[in-house]
Amino acid sequence: EPEVTQTPSHQVTQMGQEVILRCVPISNHLYFYWYRQILGQKVEFLVSFYNNEISEKSEIFDDQFSVERPDGSNFTLKIRSTKLEDSAMYFCASSADKNYGYTFGSGTRLTVV
Amino acid sequence: GDSVTQMEGPVTLSEEAFLTINCTYTATGYPSLFWYVQYPGEGLQLLLKATKADDKGSNKGFEATYRKETTSFHLEKGSVQVSDSAVYFCALTDYGQNFVFGPGTRLSVLP
Repeated sequence: EPEVTQTPSHQVTQMGQEVILRCVPISNHLYFYWYRQILGQKVEFLVSFYNNEISEKSEIFDDQFSVERPDGSNFTLKIRSTKLEDSAMYFCASSADKNYGYTFGSGTRLTVV
Repeated sequence: GDSVTQMEGPVTLSEEAFLTINCTYTATGYPSLFWYVQYPGEGLQLLLKATKADDKGSNKGFEATYRKETTSFHLEKGSVQVSDSAVYFCALTDYGQNFVFGPGTRLSVLP
């Protein structure tokens, strides 16, 4: 069964550093997403991406965040200057049809120290 | 905006017990409904879904029925196993909108 692949599985970074979280969506999917889950809390929407541009973003997705699809396969989330409160599990997801259900990756656990 | 409410956890059951995790929603349109499961240390996996009223989603012994009249999508399983221990998330997507997740319900099944 096709999978969404995320790397790395765990990243530790110092406060103020830039991090890039990487995702390889399912190849024929057209919609891409990032969600995050702070430990023990709910899953929160960050951003959706379609047709090479952001289609929607939440209040969480401020100027320190950016997304990119640098080639035909990767989908990245960049956090420019990490803060302690950015520590969370970040999930990438993709879908062929927004109403069908997303396929999530296994997540990247980001720890900011 | 759209929202999803789930029963408070954690839920602790003995093996072979009956499971119900309640989920209710509010939505402006006619959403599709989902249950996702997160096993310890892993990502989110789609467990089951339903796209219209009275549809029943089922997978791995779990079932949930889309009840439009009560705006509910309760998850049930007749006989839980230790391997079902996980966090369960109810979610919806209203056509053209992004997913909205409930807060999650942690299930612990004891042998």
